[in-house]
Amino acid sequence: SQQGEEDPQALSIQEGENATMNCSYKTSINNLQWYRQNSGRGLVHLILIRSNEREKHSGRLRVTLDTSKKSSSLLITASRAADTASYFCALPIIQGAQKLVFGQGTRLTINP
Amino acid sequence: GAGVSQSPRYKVAKRGQDVALRCDPISGHVSLFWYQQALGQGPEFLTYFQNEAQLDKSGLPSDRFFAERPEGSVSTLKIQRTQQEDSAVYLCASSLIRTQSNQPQHFGDGTRLSIL
Repeated sequence: SQQGEEDPQALSIQEGENATMNCSYKTSINNLQWYRQNSGRGLVHLILIRSNEREKHSGRLRVTLDTSKKSSSLLITASRAADTASYFCALPIIQGAQKLVFGQGTRLTINP
Repeated sequence: GAGVSQSPRYKVAKRGQDVALRCDPISGHVSLFWYQQALGQGPEFLTYFQNEAQLDKSGLPSDRFFAERPEGSVSTLKIQRTQQEDSAVYLCASSLIRTQSNQPQHFGDGTRLSIL
């Protein structure tokens, strides 16, 4: 299966701390995407990292990709209460349509 | 509109009834996707349109599920003879370019379907 698996399933930290979530996968990819989902809402695209990239930044977000280990991590620095959400990694199916395969997600809670 | 719009936001139906879920994608977006999300799980792909053509329906769970996008913009997901296991959030997403997998998908807030 090309489905990504996130780790941990749930994470609870204090506001201001850094949060790290990991995603492992099994097949070759040409890119990996991270999405955020607030409770009762749709998914919001955060960042896309291509297979030839090792690290990418966007504001307080830092994503790394290690294709040799088939893993990616999402780091949120200086967390805020508004970062409380579920975070998913998504892998595009290379052949055929551009459908995304999502993992089960990491549920992140930021405590004030 | 500015984003993907889905209606209704909530739908309650009795088992055996038919339901129709609507998606208004971002104007000009060529690709449109439907996903099903069970509680506590990630979204699972149902079907994909490129303009009005349904290019992939491999994720539709049964022949009770039917999707259309007749004019290449608004899409409707129809579920016939609903069953309790159909209860889930149905998410619609759109993206601008048709063939590239490196395009982000823009999601609506979903329709939460409850089958009694």
